Amino acid sequence: DGGITQSPKYLFRKEGQNVTLSCEQNLNHDAMYWYRQDPGQGLRLIYYSQIVNDFQKGDIAEGYSVSREKKESFPLTVTSAQKNPTAFYLCASSSGVRTGTSYGYTFGSGTRLTVV
Amino acid sequence: SQQGEEDPQALSIQEGENATMNCSYKTSINNLQWYRQNSGRGLVHLILIRSNEREKHSGRLRVTLDTSKKSSSLLITASRAADTASYFCATEFYTDKLIFGTGTRLQVFP
Repeated sequence: DGGITQSPKYLFRKEGQNVTLSCEQNLNHDAMYWYRQDPGQGLRLIYYSQIVNDFQKGDIAEGYSVSREKKESFPLTVTSAQKNPTAFYLCASSSGVRTGTSYGYTFGSGTRLTVV
Repeated sequence: SQQGEEDPQALSIQEGENATMNCSYKTSINNLQWYRQNSGRGLVHLILIRSNEREKHSGRLRVTLDTSKKSSSLLITASRAADTASYFCATEFYTDKLIFGTGTRLQVFP
């Protein structure tokens, strides 16, 4: 089955640590995205990538970094510079960029990050 | 920045009733999409309506789009307890970047 896999499902981070969230897709989608969701709120865009080896900042990129070395993978690193990292992180992908027609995004099941 | 605002923020209904959620947005769009999120889970794509379309149906879902008013509505007919979830509208610009609204929490009581 095609889809997006996020791991781990739960992650605990100590103050001052960097942590990396994994996102892998086997849908052959060109574009991948990272969103952050805080309790009771909508999704805010952190970073997105429309092609391998290229990515753009979203609305809340400060304190985060990404890489896109392979089409299938788009890991997100939450750095110690992110002052309030506790949140639910969602990865998504889409095929719209290359086809010029959007069919919607496919989302992973999310990673819940907690600072301890 | 959040593009869309959903209204109401929360909605409680009985099984069998219809549920209507509204979404307003601020700028021109290429398309508008609706997603469902069950508690603690990822989002599931429900329906996409393009800027040149006014109405679209998918099963028990009906979506309308009024680009002159920059608004959309999602109607779920004959609601079921399994429809209990948060519903988000999201708008897409020509850069293929989805911007989400704040969501409506729907509770359907058996």
